[in-house]
Amino acid sequence: QQQVKQSPQSLIVQKGGISIINCAYENTAFDYFPWYQQFPGKGPALLIAIRPDVSEKKEGRFTISFNKSAKQFSLHIMDSQPGDSATYFCAALASSGGYQKVTFGIGTKLQVIP
Amino acid sequence: EAQVTQNPRYLITVTGKKLTVTCSQNMNHEYMSWYRQDPGLGLRQIYYSMNVEVTDKGDVPEGYKVSRKEKRNFPLILESPSPNQTSLYFCASSLLTGVNEQFFGPGTRLTVL
Repeated sequence: QQQVKQSPQSLIVQKGGISIINCAYENTAFDYFPWYQQFPGKGPALLIAIRPDVSEKKEGRFTISFNKSAKQFSLHIMDSQPGDSATYFCAALASSGGYQKVTFGIGTKLQVIP
Repeated sequence: EAQVTQNPRYLITVTGKKLTVTCSQNMNHEYMSWYRQDPGLGLRQIYYSMNVEVTDKGDVPEGYKVSRKEKRNFPLILESPSPNQTSLYFCASSLLTGVNEQFFGPGTRLTVL
């Protein structure tokens, strides 16, 4: 049972374009939604995260949009660059009382072509 | 330098031969966790620990054991490895409060023949 569904699994975007990755969840107890970026041969690293009390969070070229009623959230990468080519994972967890189980999506392999 | 270290980085073994993958962090983090990464399945949590002597199962704990006797170390034990445990394993750690940022180790590529 996949508690966090991520799509697409792969994405090719031209340099300067917008990359959009979507995630959906079922568990309404989730209250923290991070995105991780992973380069080949490396461990994932936190990119940006959001809590459900806000609908959008922006850090530089990266924006998370959050729709609590639809139980969906997405990552937008503006002005995508070849250096953004990596695998992106969304995740969700219920953090009350300290965080416990973390559920990741299956990942999206992004390729930004010049 | 703040980091999570894992050893070994690469391991080829045979079915049934007990092995341990070590994980250590130098950030005084309370929370530590093990994940396996498989193509098409993403990252799946094996076990996590909220503090010393406090561990709990993640989504795929079968065939694995962990221990947390010291805050900095969180070894993953495979008592009788099987080929379906061939995978890329990551250890991660984080604080329990404030920004929920997990710091990941470099990964251990395990092959069970």
